[in-house]
Amino acid sequence: GAVVSQHPSRVICKSGTSVKIECRSLDFQATTMFWYRQFPKKSLMLMATSNEGSKATYEQGVEKDKFLINHASLTLSTLTVTSAHPEDSSFYICSAVDVMTGELFFGEGSRLTVL
Amino acid sequence: DAKTTQPTSMDCAEGRAANLPCNHSTISGNEYVYWYRQIHSQGPQYIIHGLKNNETNEMASLIITEDRKSSTLILPHATLRDTAVYYCIVRVKPGNTGKLIFGQGTTLQVKP
Repeated sequence: GAVVSQHPSRVICKSGTSVKIECRSLDFQATTMFWYRQFPKKSLMLMATSNEGSKATYEQGVEKDKFLINHASLTLSTLTVTSAHPEDSSFYICSAVDVMTGELFFGEGSRLTVL
Repeated sequence: DAKTTQPTSMDCAEGRAANLPCNHSTISGNEYVYWYRQIHSQGPQYIIHGLKNNETNEMASLIITEDRKSSTLILPHATLRDTAVYYCIVRVKPGNTGKLIFGQGTTLQVKP
């Protein structure tokens, strides 16, 4: 089946630094990808919709300057958490929509810990 | 907001069928019912989806009521590895890039 790969799967960083998380569709093209965050024992919360070749669409309450999204190709979207704080520690999950079938596939998630 | 409601938690004995209900009373005619599950610290895993007919695959069966306002996911012979959070979601497909909004899901605990 279709695979969506996230990298890194785990990252630990210091407060004030920036962290980039990659989301790749490995065997299909995706003009649209979604980024979610998930706190312990909570559901997935949609942060933004990443559109290839254009600006991302952010959900209400999500700071676009804090969470930078770039979707420069049909198989790669990146989420950069800028000036990370401990409260940004979370599980970040991406999903990608197969441009041919419309089916949606999830990555395995990236756990960010900010010290 | 999510367009579905599910019970918060359910228990099931190993080897027995697990029946997970979902209400989606405001579902539109072009929206499908999707089920995903999430095992701890992993990304959501696709299970099954349907529009109005009942569906079955190697993982589960999906029963959708005639008025499409509710559905039930059936795991015919639950195993301990089926312990997870199960999410019922409505989504337009195919070819649609509409966002997927998750509700709180049902935590299924399969017990020996």
